[in-house]
Amino acid sequence: EPEVTQTPSHQVTQMGQEVILRCVPISNHLYFYWYRQILGQKVEFLVSFYNNEISEKSEIFDDQFSVERPDGSNFTLKIRSTKLEDSAMYFCASRIGQTFRYTFGSGTRLTVV
Amino acid sequence: SQQGEEDPQALSIQEGENATMNCSYKTSINNLQWYRQNSGRGLVHLILIRSNEREKHSGRLRVTLDTSKKSSSLLITASRAADTASYFCATSGVNTDKLIFGTGTRLQVFP
Repeated sequence: EPEVTQTPSHQVTQMGQEVILRCVPISNHLYFYWYRQILGQKVEFLVSFYNNEISEKSEIFDDQFSVERPDGSNFTLKIRSTKLEDSAMYFCASRIGQTFRYTFGSGTRLTVV
Repeated sequence: SQQGEEDPQALSIQEGENATMNCSYKTSINNLQWYRQNSGRGLVHLILIRSNEREKHSGRLRVTLDTSKKSSSLLITASRAADTASYFCATSGVNTDKLIFGTGTRLQVFP
């Protein structure tokens, strides 16, 4: 079965540094998402992306966050200046469009120190 | 806002027993989905039920949806040790496709 691939699986960064989390969605999918899960808490929606633009974003997704689909295959989440509270598991997801079935990646665990 | 709340928070059963998890939400939905998450891993889609459906089956999984009570249940029959994981419900709204996740149920199946 096709997979959503996320890299790296674990990233440790210094507070204030920029990080880029990478995702390769399933090739024929049209809708792309980022979610995050702080340890022990709910999975939270960050942003949805369709037709090369953000279609919806949450309050969490402030000016420190940005997304990009630079080359038609990768989908990236950038955090410009990381804070300790950005430490979480970040999940990328995609869906084909005709259904609401999402495929999630295995996540990137971001640790900000 | 939609919020999925699940109960129980944790459930321990023996292999072969059935496991039932419940989910409640607050606003109108387009569909409700159940996901499984093994410890520290990604989310695996299990089953989706649309707002106009009342029951759905997939293998050992049975999902019910009661939109009048804004609740859903997931039944796993004849559980196996490999079913040990956290299970989350997630709702998708009428005018949005973002998923709102519940708090999850941690299921432990003892061999």
